[in-house]
Amino acid sequence: SAVISQKPSRDICQRGTSLTIQCQVDSQVTMMFWYRQQPGQSLTLIATANQGSEATYESGFVIDKFPISRPNLTFSTLTVSNMSPEDSSIYLCSVMTGSGEQYFGPGTRLTVT
Amino acid sequence: SQKIEQNSEALNIQEGKTATLTCNYTNYSPAYLQWYRQDPGRGPVFLLLIRENEKEKRKERLKVTFDTTLKQSLFHITASQPADSATYLCALGVDSSYKLIFGSGTRLLVRP
Repeated sequence: SAVISQKPSRDICQRGTSLTIQCQVDSQVTMMFWYRQQPGQSLTLIATANQGSEATYESGFVIDKFPISRPNLTFSTLTVSNMSPEDSSIYLCSVMTGSGEQYFGPGTRLTVT
Repeated sequence: SQKIEQNSEALNIQEGKTATLTCNYTNYSPAYLQWYRQDPGRGPVFLLLIRENEKEKRKERLKVTFDTTLKQSLFHITASQPADSATYLCALGVDSSYKLIFGSGTRLLVRP
Protein backbone atom coordinates (compact mmCIF):
# COMPACT_ATOMS: atom_id res chain seq x y z
CA SER A 1 0.00 0.00 0.00
CA ALA A 2 0.95 3.68 0.00
CA VAL A 3 0.22 6.62 2.27
CA ILE A 4 -0.71 9.77 0.39
CA SER A 5 -1.18 13.30 1.71
CA GLN A 6 -2.63 16.30 -0.05
CA LYS A 7 -2.43 20.00 0.69
CA PRO A 8 -4.58 21.96 1.13
CA SER A 9 -7.44 19.80 2.36
CA ARG A 10 -9.91 22.47 1.33
CA ASP A 11 -9.97 26.01 0.01
CA ILE A 12 -12.40 28.70 -1.04
CA CYS A 13 -11.13 30.73 -3.98
CA GLN A 14 -12.33 33.64 -6.03
CA ARG A 15 -13.20 33.38 -9.69
CA GLY A 16 -10.23 34.07 -11.98
CA THR A 17 -7.55 33.01 -9.50
CA SER A 18 -5.43 29.83 -9.48
CA LEU A 19 -4.83 27.18 -6.84
CA THR A 20 -1.98 24.68 -6.66
CA ILE A 21 -2.66 21.35 -4.95
CA GLN A 22 0.22 19.27 -3.64
CA CYS A 23 0.37 15.47 -3.44
CA GLN A 24 3.06 13.68 -1.40
CA VAL A 25 3.56 9.90 -1.29
CA ASP A 26 5.49 8.01 1.39
CA SER A 27 7.37 5.86 -1.16
CA GLN A 28 8.63 6.12 -4.71
CA VAL A 29 5.98 5.30 -7.30
CA THR A 30 6.05 5.34 -11.05
CA MET A 31 2.39 5.91 -11.80
CA MET A 32 0.58 8.92 -10.31
CA PHE A 33 -2.79 10.23 -11.39
CA TRP A 34 -5.05 13.24 -10.79
CA TYR A 35 -8.85 12.84 -10.62
CA ARG A 36 -11.78 15.18 -10.18
CA GLN A 37 -15.02 14.35 -8.36
CA GLN A 38 -17.76 16.87 -8.90
CA PRO A 39 -20.59 17.09 -6.35
CA GLY A 40 -22.67 13.92 -6.35
CA GLN A 41 -20.65 12.40 -9.19
CA SER A 42 -18.06 9.68 -9.54
CA LEU A 43 -14.38 10.14 -10.26
CA THR A 44 -13.11 11.40 -13.60
CA LEU A 45 -9.46 11.10 -14.56
CA ILE A 46 -7.83 14.43 -15.42
CA ALA A 47 -4.31 13.28 -16.30
CA THR A 48 -1.45 10.92 -15.64
CA ALA A 49 1.49 12.72 -14.03
CA ASN A 50 4.70 11.48 -15.65
CA GLN A 51 8.03 11.96 -13.91
CA GLY A 52 10.46 13.90 -16.08
CA SER A 53 8.02 14.55 -18.90
CA GLU A 54 4.77 16.30 -19.66
CA ALA A 55 1.57 14.93 -18.16
CA THR A 56 -0.82 12.90 -20.31
CA TYR A 57 -4.25 14.56 -20.31
CA GLU A 58 -7.63 12.91 -20.82
CA SER A 59 -10.19 14.16 -23.30
CA GLY A 60 -11.74 17.39 -22.07
CA PHE A 61 -8.78 18.45 -19.95
CA VAL A 62 -5.94 20.69 -21.18
CA ILE A 63 -2.56 21.68 -19.85
CA ASP A 64 -3.32 25.42 -19.85
CA LYS A 65 -6.19 24.88 -17.45
CA PHE A 66 -4.68 22.09 -15.33
CA PRO A 67 -0.87 22.31 -15.43
CA ILE A 68 0.81 19.42 -13.62
CA SER A 69 4.32 19.04 -12.30
CA ARG A 70 6.07 15.79 -11.28
CA PRO A 71 9.59 16.68 -10.21
CA ASN A 72 10.32 13.30 -8.59
CA LEU A 73 8.80 9.90 -7.79
CA THR A 74 7.14 10.98 -4.52
CA PHE A 75 5.61 14.37 -5.33
CA SER A 76 3.27 16.05 -7.80
CA THR A 77 1.26 19.25 -8.07
CA LEU A 78 -1.93 20.09 -9.93
CA THR A 79 -2.83 23.71 -10.58
CA VAL A 80 -6.40 24.74 -11.33
CA SER A 81 -6.02 27.93 -13.36
CA ASN A 82 -8.34 30.86 -13.99
CA MET A 83 -11.01 29.24 -11.86
CA SER A 84 -14.74 29.48 -12.37
CA PRO A 85 -17.56 28.14 -10.17
CA GLU A 86 -17.72 25.06 -12.47
CA ASP A 87 -14.30 24.05 -11.13
CA SER A 88 -15.75 23.50 -7.66
CA SER A 89 -14.96 19.86 -6.99
CA ILE A 90 -12.91 17.47 -4.95
CA TYR A 91 -9.50 16.92 -6.53
CA LEU A 92 -7.75 13.64 -5.74
CA CYS A 93 -4.34 12.24 -6.49
CA SER A 94 -3.71 8.52 -6.65
CA VAL A 95 -0.74 6.23 -7.10
CA MET A 96 -0.48 2.75 -8.51
CA THR A 97 1.59 0.09 -6.80
CA GLY A 98 3.50 -2.68 -8.52
CA SER A 99 0.56 -5.06 -8.09
CA GLY A 100 -1.78 -2.72 -9.97
CA GLU A 101 -3.74 -1.49 -6.96
CA GLN A 102 -4.45 2.25 -6.84
CA TYR A 103 -4.42 4.23 -3.62
CA PHE A 104 -5.96 7.65 -3.23
CA GLY A 105 -5.16 10.72 -1.21
CA PRO A 106 -7.78 12.30 1.06
CA GLY A 107 -8.72 14.88 -1.56
CA THR A 108 -8.78 18.66 -1.79
CA ARG A 109 -12.23 20.22 -1.63
CA LEU A 110 -12.27 23.35 -3.79
CA THR A 111 -15.07 25.91 -3.76
CA VAL A 112 -14.94 28.75 -6.28
CA THR A 113 -17.06 31.82 -5.59
CA SER B 1 -21.36 3.45 -26.24
CA GLN B 2 -19.16 2.51 -23.30
CA LYS B 3 -20.88 2.32 -19.94
CA ILE B 4 -20.23 1.21 -16.39
CA GLU B 5 -23.42 0.77 -14.40
CA GLN B 6 -23.88 0.48 -10.69
CA ASN B 7 -27.24 0.59 -8.99
CA SER B 8 -27.91 4.25 -8.24
CA GLU B 9 -30.48 3.41 -5.60
CA ALA B 10 -29.19 2.85 -2.09
CA LEU B 11 -29.04 -0.72 -0.85
CA ASN B 12 -30.64 -0.94 2.59
CA ILE B 13 -30.05 -4.15 4.56
CA GLN B 14 -30.23 -5.49 8.10
CA GLU B 15 -27.07 -5.99 10.13
CA GLY B 16 -25.75 -9.54 9.84
CA LYS B 17 -27.08 -10.09 6.31
CA THR B 18 -24.96 -10.34 3.17
CA ALA B 19 -24.82 -7.24 0.98
CA THR B 20 -24.43 -7.83 -2.76
CA LEU B 21 -23.53 -4.94 -5.05
CA THR B 22 -23.44 -5.16 -8.84
CA CYS B 23 -21.18 -3.59 -11.46
CA ASN B 24 -22.12 -4.09 -15.12
CA TYR B 25 -20.18 -2.78 -18.07
CA THR B 26 -20.64 -2.57 -21.83
CA ASN B 27 -18.18 -2.10 -24.67
CA TYR B 28 -15.14 -2.47 -22.45
CA SER B 29 -12.65 -5.32 -22.25
CA PRO B 30 -11.10 -4.70 -18.85
CA ALA B 31 -7.87 -6.38 -17.86
CA TYR B 32 -8.86 -6.03 -14.22
CA LEU B 33 -11.48 -4.51 -11.97
CA GLN B 34 -11.13 -2.83 -8.59
CA TRP B 35 -13.60 -2.10 -5.81
CA TYR B 36 -13.35 0.91 -3.51
CA ARG B 37 -15.14 2.21 -0.47
CA GLN B 38 -15.79 5.94 -0.16
CA ASP B 39 -17.10 7.75 2.90
CA PRO B 40 -18.55 11.28 2.62
CA GLY B 41 -15.82 13.90 2.20
CA ARG B 42 -13.04 11.30 1.97
CA GLY B 43 -10.96 9.78 -0.81
CA PRO B 44 -11.76 6.26 -2.06
CA VAL B 45 -10.20 3.40 -0.11
CA PHE B 46 -8.93 0.39 -2.08
CA LEU B 47 -10.62 -2.91 -1.18
CA LEU B 48 -9.99 -5.60 -3.80
CA LEU B 49 -8.54 -6.09 -7.28
CA ILE B 50 -9.58 -8.98 -9.52
CA ARG B 51 -8.01 -9.77 -12.88
CA GLU B 52 -9.75 -10.96 -16.03
CA ASN B 53 -8.43 -14.51 -15.61
CA GLU B 54 -9.72 -14.76 -12.02
CA LYS B 55 -13.28 -15.80 -11.20
CA GLU B 56 -13.33 -14.92 -7.52
CA LYS B 57 -11.28 -13.11 -4.87
CA ARG B 58 -11.79 -13.00 -1.12
CA LYS B 59 -10.51 -10.82 1.69
CA GLU B 60 -11.92 -11.33 5.17
CA ARG B 61 -15.69 -10.62 4.89
CA LEU B 62 -15.40 -9.39 1.31
CA LYS B 63 -15.80 -11.42 -1.88
CA VAL B 64 -15.62 -10.26 -5.48
CA THR B 65 -16.57 -12.21 -8.60
CA PHE B 66 -15.73 -11.26 -12.17
CA ASP B 67 -17.63 -12.74 -15.14
CA THR B 68 -16.17 -11.46 -18.42
CA THR B 69 -18.86 -13.27 -20.40
CA LEU B 70 -21.70 -11.55 -18.57
CA LYS B 71 -19.57 -8.37 -18.28
CA GLN B 72 -20.38 -8.19 -14.62
CA SER B 73 -18.72 -8.08 -11.22
CA LEU B 74 -20.48 -8.82 -7.95
CA PHE B 75 -19.20 -7.49 -4.63
CA HIS B 76 -20.36 -9.25 -1.45
CA ILE B 77 -20.00 -8.21 2.19
CA THR B 78 -20.94 -11.04 4.53
CA ALA B 79 -22.10 -10.53 8.12
CA SER B 80 -22.60 -6.85 7.35
CA GLN B 81 -22.20 -4.24 10.08
CA PRO B 82 -23.43 -0.64 10.40
CA ALA B 83 -19.76 0.41 9.98
CA ASP B 84 -19.92 -1.00 6.44
CA SER B 85 -22.34 1.79 5.47
CA ALA B 86 -20.64 3.79 2.71
CA THR B 87 -20.61 4.25 -1.05
CA TYR B 88 -18.92 1.46 -2.99
CA LEU B 89 -17.31 2.16 -6.35
CA CYS B 90 -16.20 -0.24 -9.03
CA ALA B 91 -13.46 0.77 -11.44
CA LEU B 92 -12.25 -0.86 -14.64
CA GLY B 93 -8.62 -1.05 -15.72
CA VAL B 94 -9.12 -0.95 -19.45
CA ASP B 95 -5.73 -0.75 -21.09
CA SER B 96 -2.00 -0.73 -20.57
CA SER B 97 -2.03 2.90 -19.41
CA TYR B 98 -3.24 1.73 -15.95
CA LYS B 99 -5.88 4.42 -15.74
CA LEU B 100 -9.19 3.52 -14.10
CA ILE B 101 -12.70 4.20 -15.34
CA PHE B 102 -15.09 4.53 -12.40
CA GLY B 103 -18.73 3.65 -12.02
CA SER B 104 -21.06 6.05 -10.26
CA GLY B 105 -21.15 4.01 -7.06
CA THR B 106 -23.82 2.38 -4.91
CA ARG B 107 -24.62 3.59 -1.43
CA LEU B 108 -24.95 0.83 1.16
CA LEU B 109 -26.88 1.38 4.39
CA VAL B 110 -26.67 -1.31 7.07
CA ARG B 111 -29.35 -1.00 9.75
CA PRO B 112 -28.50 -2.09 13.30
